[in-house]
Amino acid sequence: EVQLVESGGALVQPGGSLRLSCAASGFTFSNYEMNWVRQAPGKGLEWVSYINSGGNTKNYADSVKGRFTISRDNAKNSLYLHMNSLRVDDTAVYYCARADIVGATGPDFFDYWGQGTLVTVSS
Amino acid sequence: EIVLTQSPATLSLSPGERATLSCRASQSVSDYLAWYQQKPGQAPRLVIYDASYRGNDIPDRFSGSGSGTEFTLTISSLEPEDFATYYCQQRRSWPPTFGQGTRVEIK
Repeated sequence: EVQLVESGGALVQPGGSLRLSCAASGFTFSNYEMNWVRQAPGKGLEWVSYINSGGNTKNYADSVKGRFTISRDNAKNSLYLHMNSLRVDDTAVYYCARADIVGATGPDFFDYWGQGTLVTVSS
Repeated sequence: EIVLTQSPATLSLSPGERATLSCRASQSVSDYLAWYQQKPGQAPRLVIYDASYRGNDIPDRFSGSGSGTEFTLTISSLEPEDFATYYCQQRRSWPPTFGQGTRVEIK
């Protein structure tokens, strides 16, 4: 059974930093591209970041570019999101999401999602 | 970036009725469109991908159609568990974008 379990969400002050983690199991993690998608309270879904299976290609939404860094450790079956210079409008539930196709080029659809971890940015 | 506009914002229907949800893209996305279902407090679930293919374990009362800029998600006969918010998403170009959602509520 495919499982994605996020952790690391917390209450943080504006300008602060946080690292989110996503532990994957039930599939060969190193074969799949991965993404982070967020959802502000009561709002819709917003794609945040992408990383390819090898970890050497990354993409970011303009809203987080230069502040967030995606990474992965295939030996540990884990995905990460390092968030710096956090702003109030980064407040959201952050989901890790698996790409639906192995080896696809370009953006993904997302066939498995974690349960999400809440990041609250507030003073 | 490609903007997806969903309509209506809210659909009020009774169990057993047919639901028709629309998603319009600001430019062609070919058939690179998906639909997700999200219930309160839960993660989204992939319902339809590549415009018309059902995701894993999705019942056949769900169907998708369209290509280019106009897409439709149809639920042929609503079951109680189908009342949720539905989002469309394109993967034709970076960044992948979502529509703002259509809430299907019990009338």
